[in-house]
Amino acid sequence: GAVVSQHPSWVICKSGTSVKIECRSLDFQATTMFWYRQFPKQSLMLMATSNEGSKATYEQGVEKDKFLINHASLTLSTLTVTSAHPEDSSFYICSARATSLEQYFGPGTRLTVT
Amino acid sequence: EDQVTQSPEALRLQEGESSSLNCSYTVSGLRGLFWYRQDPGKGPEFLFTLYSAGEEKEKERLKATLTKKESFLHITAPKPEDSATYLCAASRGNEKLTFGTGTRLTIIP
Repeated sequence: GAVVSQHPSWVICKSGTSVKIECRSLDFQATTMFWYRQFPKQSLMLMATSNEGSKATYEQGVEKDKFLINHASLTLSTLTVTSAHPEDSSFYICSARATSLEQYFGPGTRLTVT
Repeated sequence: EDQVTQSPEALRLQEGESSSLNCSYTVSGLRGLFWYRQDPGKGPEFLFTLYSAGEEKEKERLKATLTKKESFLHITAPKPEDSATYLCAASRGNEKLTFGTGTRLTIIP
C-alpha cells in the first residue's frame, strides 16, 4: 500500500521551454501533496504544499510563477516548471499524505535543462 | 526554529557489524518522528513512524527507538543491501516535515 508514482522519471528540455511533472497516489487518496527539490548529496528541500482544490502554499524563496502546482484531484498533482533554465536542473520528488502524518514519496524526476 | 540533526554523516561497516544511527531533534510539540531510506537516484522509502518517547519499532534488521530528545536507528548484522542514505524527519502535526541531512551507510561485504 501507499504507492506514489511520478512521470516522467527523467526529462531533458531546452532552455526557455516548460516541462510538466505528474505525481499520482495509486492506492490512496492524498489530501495533501508536497513537492521537493534535492541537490546532489543534500537533503530534501520543500518547495510547496498543495491541498486538493486549493492554491498551493510555496516556501520562502520559491517562485510561484515559475513553479506552477496544480492539485486537481485527490490522486493527482502536477508541477510545471515554466521557462526552464539550466539552474532549474535538479531532482524533483513529490510526496503524498492521507489523513495520517506519514508522507509517502514518489521515485523522483530528474530534470536536465540544456 | 525546528531542527533535526543526524550523525554520523557517513558510516562504513563490515557485513554483520551492528551499529546505530543517531537523530537529535529540537521540535516543539513533536507529533511524529519518521525514518526513511533513500537509495541513489530514487525517492525516500518510508520505514517507521514513532509517536512518543519509549516507543520502539522493528523491521527485519532495523529497529527504531525514540526518547524525548533523540531517535536511534539500530542496524543488526547488516547486509550489503542495507547500504543507503537514512533520513530522519520530524513533524509538529502541521503539514511540513523537518528533515535531517541524512546518514550515508555503506556495508562492505
